[in-house]
Amino acid sequence: EVQLVESGGGLVQPGGSLRLSCAASGFTFSNHEMNWVRQAPGKGLEWVSYISSGSGNIHYADSVKGRFTIFRDNAKNSLNLQMSSLRAEDTAVYYCARETRYYDTSGRPADAFDIWGQGTMVTVSS
Amino acid sequence: ETVMTQSPVTLSVSPGERATLSCRASQSVSSNLAWFQQKPGQAPRLLIYDASTRATGIPARFSGSGSGTEFTLTISSLQSEDFAVYYCQQYENWPPYTFGQGTKVEIK
Repeated sequence: EVQLVESGGGLVQPGGSLRLSCAASGFTFSNHEMNWVRQAPGKGLEWVSYISSGSGNIHYADSVKGRFTIFRDNAKNSLNLQMSSLRAEDTAVYYCARETRYYDTSGRPADAFDIWGQGTMVTVSS
Repeated sequence: ETVMTQSPVTLSVSPGERATLSCRASQSVSSNLAWFQQKPGQAPRLLIYDASTRATGIPARFSGSGSGTEFTLTISSLQSEDFAVYYCQQYENWPPYTFGQGTKVEIK
């Protein structure tokens, strides 16, 4: 079964740090780009970070740039998000999402966040 | 940044009726648009990518259309399990990937 399972969430004080992990199974992890997406309580979806399959290309949302670090270990089928200098506004459910490139009949590529984990809750509060 | 605007915010529909959801991009995203469904306490589920291609296992009552800046998700005959929040997402002009604010489809 294709699956992503996040872990590492919890309660942390403002200014603190936390590391989230996402364990992948049921597919060839090293073939896929990966993302972190978050959702504040009662709010919509916000993309957080992207990492290419070989870790050579990384991007962050402006809201987390300089504070969060995404990295992966393809040998362990693991995606991680190191979060530091946490703020109250970082409080959210954090999802990892697999990105798959599909091709139409003409060979034109289209990307999709096709598999999501169940999410892990991060609460930043004193 | 490409801003995605969904309308309406809430859509009240009776089971068996047709639902039409809209998503507008602040600049062209070509056909690089996806739709997701999210139920309470669950992760988002991919419904549509490339503006009109159904993801694996998605029923035919879900269809997507549009290109450029105007997109539509249509649910032809609403089933009880379709009442949820729906998000559009563009992946043309990134980073960042951007989502709409969501449309809640509720029972009328």
